[in-house]
Amino acid sequence: EDQVTQSPEALRLQEGESSSLNCSYTVSGLRGLFWYRQDPGKGPEFLFTLYSAGEEKEKERLKATLTKKESFLHITAPKPEDSATYLCAVKYGGSQGNLIFGKGTKLSVKP
Amino acid sequence: DADVTQTPRNRITKTGKRIMLECSQTKGHDRMYWYRQDPGLGLRLIYYSFDVKDINKGEISDGYSVSRQAQAKFSLSLESAIPNQTALYFCATSLAGPLNEQFFGPGTRLTVL
Repeated sequence: EDQVTQSPEALRLQEGESSSLNCSYTVSGLRGLFWYRQDPGKGPEFLFTLYSAGEEKEKERLKATLTKKESFLHITAPKPEDSATYLCAVKYGGSQGNLIFGKGTKLSVKP
Repeated sequence: DADVTQTPRNRITKTGKRIMLECSQTKGHDRMYWYRQDPGLGLRLIYYSFDVKDINKGEISDGYSVSRQAQAKFSLSLESAIPNQTALYFCATSLAGPLNEQFFGPGTRLTVL
């Protein structure tokens, strides 16, 4: 059973059409939840870290939120340059300080 | 700029060959990591090192070995490459402690024929 599950696997939006990506986790003793953006053929780029339920962080058109079971990455009025794969990862008490990644959501924003 | 670099960026090799992927960083981070990424499987941890004398196996270490030559250098070796090791390989670094987001290199695309 996957410890970190991201949905949907792929999402197609029109420019300006807001939506959310989901990351659910089943680990206990969460130490942190991390969001990354990955462009094709490149390494993941760090976006946010969330540590406790109720926490929110924003960057431009992106807003990340965290509950006790899941995190959402809200994308407001997306632009074509927001197209990328968004990765979620968790660190928890049993992970020896390492990140456990989900499989990602591939976002495509059409003009 | 402080950075994470990987060499080579692309490599095609044959089954049974020994190959080394290299990672260097100028961030001054103590912790370094090697991941592989496969379509549909996400990023999986191969090996990690919390300092020069501390090297640990990750989720999928079989068929791989590593060497931490210095704080700034961490190499991944495939002793006898096989086709199912064809993947994207990423090096990452981080500071120690609970706030340690990882910073990734640009990746090496490895093809084993």
